[in-house]
Amino acid sequence: SQQGEEDPQALSIQEGENATMNCSYKTSINNLQWYRQNSGRGLVHLILIRSNEREKHSGRLRVTLDTSKKSSSLLITASRAADTASYFCATDDYKLSFGAGTTVTVRA
Amino acid sequence: ETGVTQSPTHLIKTRGQQVTLRCSSQSGHNTVSWYQQALGQGPQFIFQYYREEENGRGNFPPRFSGLQFPNYSSELNVNALELDDSALYLCASSLAAGGAYEQYFGPGTRLTVT
Repeated sequence: SQQGEEDPQALSIQEGENATMNCSYKTSINNLQWYRQNSGRGLVHLILIRSNEREKHSGRLRVTLDTSKKSSSLLITASRAADTASYFCATDDYKLSFGAGTTVTVRA
Repeated sequence: ETGVTQSPTHLIKTRGQQVTLRCSSQSGHNTVSWYQQALGQGPQFIFQYYREEENGRGNFPPRFSGLQFPNYSSELNVNALELDDSALYLCASSLAAGGAYEQYFGPGTRLTVT
């Protein structure tokens, strides 16, 4: 069964705008990771946030984690056409449990 | 440093046949995980190998089996193929077992079962 569930399923924004997507999960976690996938190819790791962290930044990416609400969000600022992809959150155990992803389309 | 590679890129098989997919892990990584991704879905964990031993398995039947070799490369074998096995198969390597480590994914093998 999938642990992480992303919301919304799809998002369409104009280049330069910000994109926010959310992830909810069911059980306690140690870490949560975000990945990006372009056009059905391999996934690329974006950020890992630990359960004792509340916010983490990497370039134009900002991830928050609220363990009391069992949720995380990924913010992409100043989006570019190259950000068009599917984004997945994954919670950890000895394996990663992925949600169905948020498909982001950035319009030029 | 070479990344994770998978072969073949695409594969078409007939229902009932057997298939072997291959994965070379990133240099220095001793853990390989395999995932199945159906169209429009997120990757589903099949199993993980750590230092040549299976280190956990997802909800997949025994006809899905694997191997990890001393050089940490890996194979995924699927017997008695079914139409629902059509999917993108991804392998990912990491420095060690456990979810605390970033996983490096290969480009995947697209399997079509007819």
